[in-house]
Amino acid sequence: DQQVKQNSPSLSVQEGRISILNCDYTNSMFDYFLWYKKYPAEGPTFLISISSIKDKNEDGRFTVFLNKSAKHLSLHIVPSQPGDSAVYFCAASLYNTDKLIFGTGTRLQVFP
Amino acid sequence: SAVISQKPSRDICQRGTSLTIQCQVDSQVTMMFWYRQQPGQSLTLIATANQGSEATYESGFVIDKFPISRPNLTFSTLTVSNMSPEDSSIYLCSVGETATYYGYTFGSGTRLTVV
Repeated sequence: DQQVKQNSPSLSVQEGRISILNCDYTNSMFDYFLWYKKYPAEGPTFLISISSIKDKNEDGRFTVFLNKSAKHLSLHIVPSQPGDSAVYFCAASLYNTDKLIFGTGTRLQVFP
Repeated sequence: SAVISQKPSRDICQRGTSLTIQCQVDSQVTMMFWYRQQPGQSLTLIATANQGSEATYESGFVIDKFPISRPNLTFSTLTVSNMSPEDSSIYLCSVGETATYYGYTFGSGTRLTVV
């Protein structure tokens, strides 16, 4: 049972445009959501997070939106840069546990 | 954030053998986890490494197959025992204080190929 889903395995965006990565979840007991970025041969690195009591969090070019009623969150990257090309994982923290549950990832390619 | 040294970075092993992966952190951390990423798949939590006691395993993972040690707050090992080709994956150590805010820090992973 995949509790965190990223339905788009890949996304291709032109440099300077907006990248939108989507994530859906099924468990209403998730209280925190995080995005990680992963380059080949490296471990995932933390990008941005959002509490379930918020609907938006922004950090520079990265903004995460949370729609609790739809159990959906998205990561917006604007403007996109070639260095953003990586696999992006959505992760969720289960309330009152220390565990992170990850989605399957979306490979983003930003081309010039 | 903590700096993790994970070794080996990759290995090719014969089926039926065992491999021990080490995770060394440059500072004391509360939480340490081991994840597996099979080809094209998500990161799946194997277990939480508990200092001085038995690890807590997730459904589908057992101690006999994946014994874990955590003798102190900066070091842990994961052993993949009696390996088969299905164990070919990337194994990742992850550490931190809380799953919220900044999440956990990951090691660079161990790419294991079983032949």
